[in-house]
Amino acid sequence: DTEVTQTPKHLVMGMTNKKSLKCEQHMGHRAMYWYKQKAKKPPELMFVYSYEKLSINESVPSRFSPECPNSSLLNLHLHALQPEDSALYLCASSPAGTGNYEKLFFGSGTQLSVL
Amino acid sequence: SQELEQSPQSLIVQEGKNLTINCTSSKTLYGLYWYKQKYGEGLIFLMMLQKGGEEKSHEKITAKLDEKKQQSSLHITASQPSHAGIYLCGAAPSTPLVFGKGTRLSVIA
Repeated sequence: DTEVTQTPKHLVMGMTNKKSLKCEQHMGHRAMYWYKQKAKKPPELMFVYSYEKLSINESVPSRFSPECPNSSLLNLHLHALQPEDSALYLCASSPAGTGNYEKLFFGSGTQLSVL
Repeated sequence: SQELEQSPQSLIVQEGKNLTINCTSSKTLYGLYWYKQKYGEGLIFLMMLQKGGEEKSHEKITAKLDEKKQQSSLHITASQPSHAGIYLCGAAPSTPLVFGKGTRLSVIA
């Protein structure tokens, strides 16, 4: 299994809602990532988990809360989002996350719209 | 921090034509990834170049790494509609990966 699975594929939420994005991989990878991508822009890193510990937080607002329950799962909890948070949210994984030349495996993304 | 500039930003080619996309780094480039993305979807790994002068091919796509110029080029031969999408370069070694802004390729019949 060489896939990173993201659910849901599409999500529409109001500014007062609480929702979660889910990411799963069964490749034994020990690093998992959340990227945010606005239309016509490159992906921008949000968070990195390495060995189930948060290793990088790129100054992301607290309305985004990541969680790594185990080495195969990565969640992104959303609360009180703003319309400008509408974007494609991409999950990725890599074998170790600490070495050089780590190929990232990406999921197909969750297209989020905040109304 | 390292920045990657891609050119051109967008490209429209006729089916069957060849094309080249460039990725230039602001700092020494030790290696480079190429990914492809369909609109609104995830990134698909194409290839990784680790050494200066290295050249790799996958089907009709060839990429080269020129360490001296701090540049990588991606060449598509005899383009097809299936080649359409956004091509992104990413710097290596860089953990986590940082991307260029992408080149949007359209292939018309």
